[in-house]
Amino acid sequence: DTAVSQTPKYLVTQMGNDKSIKCEQNLGHDTMYWYKQDSKKFLKIMFSYNNKELIINETVPNRFSPKSPDKAHLNLHINSLELGDSAVYFCASSQDWGQTQYFGPGTRLLVL
Amino acid sequence: GEDVEQSLFLSVREGDSSVINCTYTDSSSTYLYWYKQEPGAGLQLLTYIFSNMDMKQDQRLTVLLNKKDKHLSLRIADTQTGDSAIYFCAERGNYQLIWGAGTKLIIKP
Repeated sequence: DTAVSQTPKYLVTQMGNDKSIKCEQNLGHDTMYWYKQDSKKFLKIMFSYNNKELIINETVPNRFSPKSPDKAHLNLHINSLELGDSAVYFCASSQDWGQTQYFGPGTRLLVL
Repeated sequence: GEDVEQSLFLSVREGDSSVINCTYTDSSSTYLYWYKQEPGAGLQLLTYIFSNMDMKQDQRLTVLLNKKDKHLSLRIADTQTGDSAIYFCAERGNYQLIWGAGTKLIIKP
């Protein structure tokens, strides 16, 4: 019974391509997040949705577009991928804003 | 602004105690967290402490909170090779958790 799941686990693609990462949580949480973890393991929040509404939108290129079709899903679409987008992307969820977060296993994106 | 700081590395001998330290800036934080990230894995909630507590113990883990100095520590007793990971400290902010950079715990045989 996976609480927070992400697909795909690995993603290798060419520069300039468009790709999507999907996230689903079965915890009944209201809030979901996307994080980017770089090669130095720094964790940076990108977006947060609460009840399908965008709450946090940090300084992220507009090539990144989150979409929340329902409370249990928060997908991340990336247009025109660049080398610097290579990182591990984590999805997380919490019962409400700022509460304890539960993480997915991560999606390792490599842009060639 | 809100900030959380941790040392990037800690090296200990197997069997010794590990103490990972963290400082934070927001004195109004209600919860402070420790997350563990093993190699190639996601972040796992290890433990948390409510701001009105000084200490919390859970088996080999002891969390100490000094609110006056805004200092949080995680002590791991009898450190094992399986404890090798990156440990992230986080404080609860207004809408999100504020994260430290993570401390990589290295275990020497």
